[in-house]
Amino acid sequence: GESVGLHLPTLSVQEGDNSIINCAYSNSASDYFIWYKQESGKGPQFIIDIRSNMDKRQGQRVTVLLNKTVKHLSLQIAATQPGDSAVYFCAETSGGSYIPTFGRGTSLIVHP
Amino acid sequence: DAGVIQSPRHEVTEMGQEVTLRCKPISGHNSLFWYRQTMMRGLELLIYFNNNVPIDDSGMPEDRFSAKMPNASFSTLKIQPSEPRDSAVYFCASSGDRGTNEKLFFGSGTQLSVL
Repeated sequence: GESVGLHLPTLSVQEGDNSIINCAYSNSASDYFIWYKQESGKGPQFIIDIRSNMDKRQGQRVTVLLNKTVKHLSLQIAATQPGDSAVYFCAETSGGSYIPTFGRGTSLIVHP
Repeated sequence: DAGVIQSPRHEVTEMGQEVTLRCKPISGHNSLFWYRQTMMRGLELLIYFNNNVPIDDSGMPEDRFSAKMPNASFSTLKIQPSEPRDSAVYFCASSGDRGTNEKLFFGSGTQLSVL
């Protein structure tokens, strides 16, 4: 069936480096994408979202890129900090659905 | 706003016992979701309510699991009888109407251990 998946289960970076977390999706009807951050012992928290009529959206230190041609989503974190260490999930919904489909998650480890 | 509130934060019980997890969604949100998270399966949707009505319960594992939403400010997830394989973190999340706020707001979860 349709699914959302991640390329890398674990990403280790040095503090101050830029991080890129990737996500592939298979549902060509997906029209809304969200990145969540889950810190240890907490629930996932919204970071940034993007709709399918856009290919880039920027937040504070984060940028989401959407390539609909290859069904690929990425989250870029600038000047990664130890506080960015967490598991990052991409999620998508498609027209008419209220229910997001979550990927398996990527663990980001930031070394001081 | 206190966010989505779940209780208890931790629950340890013995196999066969009844377990009740509780959730208070964000005021004004009309969609509520129960998820289960394990290392093996990741985040699994168990059930989704809209305006207090169960819309999709296809993720509920079996008849041992039941969920209710008697009003807009409260929901329960019950497991009876509980089994060791039910051990997981259970999350409740809420959201507003589609088109205005589709992102989910998650509670801190209930860590369930069934011995």
